[in-house]
Amino acid sequence: AQSVTQLDSQVPVFEEAPVELRCNYSSSVSVYLFWYVQYPNQGLQLLLKYLSGSTLVKGINGFEAEFNKSQTSFHLRKPSVHISDTAEYFCAVWGRSTDKLIFGTGTRLQVFP
Amino acid sequence: DAGVIQSPRHEVTEMGQEVTLRCKPISGHNSLFWYRQTMMRGLELLIYFNNNVPIDDSGMPEDRFSAKMPNASFSTLKIQPSEPRDSAVYFCASSLSDALDYNEQFFGPGTRLTVL
Repeated sequence: AQSVTQLDSQVPVFEEAPVELRCNYSSSVSVYLFWYVQYPNQGLQLLLKYLSGSTLVKGINGFEAEFNKSQTSFHLRKPSVHISDTAEYFCAVWGRSTDKLIFGTGTRLQVFP
Repeated sequence: DAGVIQSPRHEVTEMGQEVTLRCKPISGHNSLFWYRQTMMRGLELLIYFNNNVPIDDSGMPEDRFSAKMPNASFSTLKIQPSEPRDSAVYFCASSLSDALDYNEQFFGPGTRLTVL
C-alpha cells in the first residue's frame, strides 16, 4: 500500500529565509509524486510534480523539489520565502496499482515578517 | 476557463437534516473525485467516478453517505441524516483520465459543512 508522511505539521519561518518541507513516501511500485498548496479558504493548487526524468523538479512560485528514490523522499524547498507563501502544503503520491492520489497530512508554513 | 464549481460554499445545518453538496466538473473532464478534509484525518478520497460510473467508493464512511453522477457535468454528494462528526470541508476534483496514467486533478474551492 502507498502512504505519505509529512514529518512536520507546522513550519514557522521568517520572510526571506530558506525553507524545506519534508515528505517521505512508501510504495512497492513506481509512483508519481506531487506537492499541492492550499491557501486559506481555497481549494488545492498543484505546485509541482515528478513523473519521470530529472529528479529536480521546478514548480510555480519559486518552489522546487527533489525526488530521492533511495531515501524515498520528495522534499519541497524554496530559497527565500515571502509572506504570501503562508499556506498549507500537501505532499501526495499516485500509483498505477491503486489509481488513487494519496495525500499526506499537510504542513502549515507560517511566514513571519 | 471556469474551474471546478462547487455549491454551496458554506452550509450550516442541524443534526439529522439531509445535506446535498453539488459539483460541476471542468467541461470535457471524464473523472470526478469527492474528498473530505478534516483536522483529524486530513484529506481523504471518498469516491470517484469515471465516465459517470462510480469506480471506487471504498472511502465512503457509511451508508448515510451517497454520491451520484447523473451526467458528465454534474455530481452530488448527499448525507442523510447528517451528524456533527460530518463537519468538514468537502472538495470535488476533476481530471481528463485515459485510465492508463495519472492525469492532473483540478480541485474546486470546497464546501465547508457545519453540522450542529
